[in-house]
Amino acid sequence: RKEVEQDPGPFNVPEGATVAFNCTYSNSASQSFFWYRQDCRKEPKLLMSVYSSGNEDGRFTAQLNRASQYISLLIRDSKLSDSATYLCVVRSGGYQKVTFGTGTKLQVIP
Amino acid sequence: DAGITQSPRYKITETGRQVTLMCHQTWSHSYMFWYRQDLGHGLRLIYYSAAADITDKGEVPDGYVVSRSKTENFPLTLESATRSQTSVYFCASSDRTGTLNQPQHFGDGTRLSIL
Repeated sequence: RKEVEQDPGPFNVPEGATVAFNCTYSNSASQSFFWYRQDCRKEPKLLMSVYSSGNEDGRFTAQLNRASQYISLLIRDSKLSDSATYLCVVRSGGYQKVTFGTGTKLQVIP
Repeated sequence: DAGITQSPRYKITETGRQVTLMCHQTWSHSYMFWYRQDLGHGLRLIYYSAAADITDKGEVPDGYVVSRSKTENFPLTLESATRSQTSVYFCASSDRTGTLNQPQHFGDGTRLSIL
């Protein structure tokens, strides 16, 4: 089983739709969780950290479910500019123990 | 605010050549990382550094060498390039705090082709 697993997609959604991605992780001792966004093989950019109680940043909501070992990202009112690949990132152990998922591709359609 | 910069952005070289990819950060972050990204594999850690003069192997270190004589620089050298090292290389940095919640910040990447 991979340490971090994501559905590769693509998720094709119309503008204005709500879309959710999940990411599962295998190490129950994982400590920190992040969502990154990557556009067309450019550098990954931090979208948001994921906190135990869940957190929101504008149209984006992140949740952590430690019991089931997954994190989720919800995007409301999708914009064309949201089209990208979303990477799930899990840190387990030291600062260097970071595992990246292979990403979920989102395409927002006009 | 330059942040983290990589050079060159693009590089084409031949098998057997030595090539060095540069990474420079202006944040004085303790940790620096080198990743490669290939289709189907996601980002894989090559080497990382916890501070100047402290480096360690990641998941895929074979064929690569790193050094970190100064906090701000973390060059990656391919001693004898092979076609399997054709990839997109990302440098990243992360601050060191009392928690592990500090994210990594990435440079623009170097697209390396080995013929």
